[in-house]
Amino acid sequence: EDKVVQSPLSLVVHEGDTVTLNCSYEVTNFRSLLWYKQEKKAPTFLFMLTSSGIEKKSGRLSSILDKKELFSILNITATQTGDSAVYLCAVEAGGAQKLVFGQGTRLTINP
Amino acid sequence: GAVVSQHPSRVICKSGTSVKIECRSLDFQATTMFWYRQFPKQSLMLMATSNEGSKATYEQGVEKDKFLINHASLTLSTLTVTSAHPEDSSFYICSARPGPGGTIYFGEGSWLTVV
Repeated sequence: EDKVVQSPLSLVVHEGDTVTLNCSYEVTNFRSLLWYKQEKKAPTFLFMLTSSGIEKKSGRLSSILDKKELFSILNITATQTGDSAVYLCAVEAGGAQKLVFGQGTRLTINP
Repeated sequence: GAVVSQHPSRVICKSGTSVKIECRSLDFQATTMFWYRQFPKQSLMLMATSNEGSKATYEQGVEKDKFLINHASLTLSTLTVTSAHPEDSSFYICSARPGPGGTIYFGEGSWLTVV
C-alpha cells in the first residue's frame, strides 16, 4: 500500500525562525512529489519534484528530493506569520496520476 | 487566477437530499479529474478518479452509488452526493492537470454541510 508520512505533525516557531518540514514515502512506481500549502481552503501548489538532489526554490521556500532515501524536505527561512498553514506533501505514483497525501504539518508562526 | 474552478463553494442540504458539486478546468482540457474529501484537521483522501467518457474509478471503501461522478466533457466533472447524511459533511476538492507530467491544480473546494 502506498504511504506518505510527514513530520512533524505540528510545529510552532517564532517569526524569523527557519523551519524544515519532512516527508517520507513508500510508493509503487514513483513519478513525482508535490508540496502544497493549505489555509482554510483548497491547497495551493508550491513545488513539484521529480529528480533527486536538485533544489527547487521560490523566495524563502525551497525543497529537495532524495529518491534513494525516499524523502523530501521543505525549508522555509525567515518565517513570517503569513506562513502559518498546513503544508501537505503528496506523491504521484503508478500510472493513474493519483496523489497520495501525507497527514500534513500544521505550522504556526508566532509574532 | 484559478485554473480549476469548483461550484458551489458552500452548500447546506437536508438529510436525504442530493447535492451536486461541479469541477471545471479553465483554459485546458482534462481527460482525468480527481475528487478528494477532507475531514476537519485531516489530510486529503482520494475518493475517485473521474474519466471523461467512461466510468469513474472509485477508491476502496467509497460507495459508488452514493457518490455519483459524471465526466461528461473535457472540462467538467460533477460529483453528486446522493441521500446525504450528516456524516457526509466534509470539504470536497477536485483536481486536474493540463497534461501528462504537469502541475496538478486543485479547485477551491466545496464545503458541504448536511443538516
